Amino acid sequence: GENVEQHPSTLSVQEGDSAVIKCTYSDSASNYFPWYKQELGKRPQLIIDIRSNVGEKKDQRIAVTLNKTAKHFSLHITETQPEDSAVYFCAASYNNNDMRFGAGTRLTVKP
Amino acid sequence: KAGVTQTPRYLIKTRGQQVTLSCSPISGHRSVSWYQQTPGQGLQFLFEYFSETQRNKGNFPGRFSGRQFSNSRSEMNVSTLELGDSALYLCASSLDRGSAEQYFGPGTRLTVT
Repeated sequence: GENVEQHPSTLSVQEGDSAVIKCTYSDSASNYFPWYKQELGKRPQLIIDIRSNVGEKKDQRIAVTLNKTAKHFSLHITETQPEDSAVYFCAASYNNNDMRFGAGTRLTVKP
Repeated sequence: KAGVTQTPRYLIKTRGQQVTLSCSPISGHRSVSWYQQTPGQGLQFLFEYFSETQRNKGNFPGRFSGRQFSNSRSEMNVSTLELGDSALYLCASSLDRGSAEQYFGPGTRLTVT
């Protein structure tokens, strides 16, 4: 089955700096890669996703890149703000079935 | 549209008991997946239901089971509870199989004593 590894487990940045979280996956058949943000005590919320036919996707300050050959994908947050502080999860699946999550990255943005 | 709802939100059980958790997907969504979230293991996939059939199953013992009804509502059951089953159980719904976005419910916090 799919195995997703996520790094780093914790990340602390200064407000305004960029943050990058990286994930690798094992199953070359995986074709859907979402990122979720989970604030303390709240449910995970989808913030951006990418499919395997696309190499990069951007939504305002958030971007995701995918390297299918190397089987890794990354989340980039620019101009970080304190409200970006949360746990971020990457995930991989084939057609959204049997979604496997990374272990999560706790991002802290210091004002 | 109402979001994914889960009941109960909090539950305390003792070892050996069984528990049933309920998930109501977003109206029109037909796929429901269940996840267990613990501090040590992160988000782990339990199973996925679509059209009242279990389509995928994660690496959990047979004590964990589920079902889906014709209205797409889903339940999961855990029998013979163990202390290690204490976790946040999340369900997520999506429009269809192969449909990308999953939307999570608020979760049920299960504590086993």
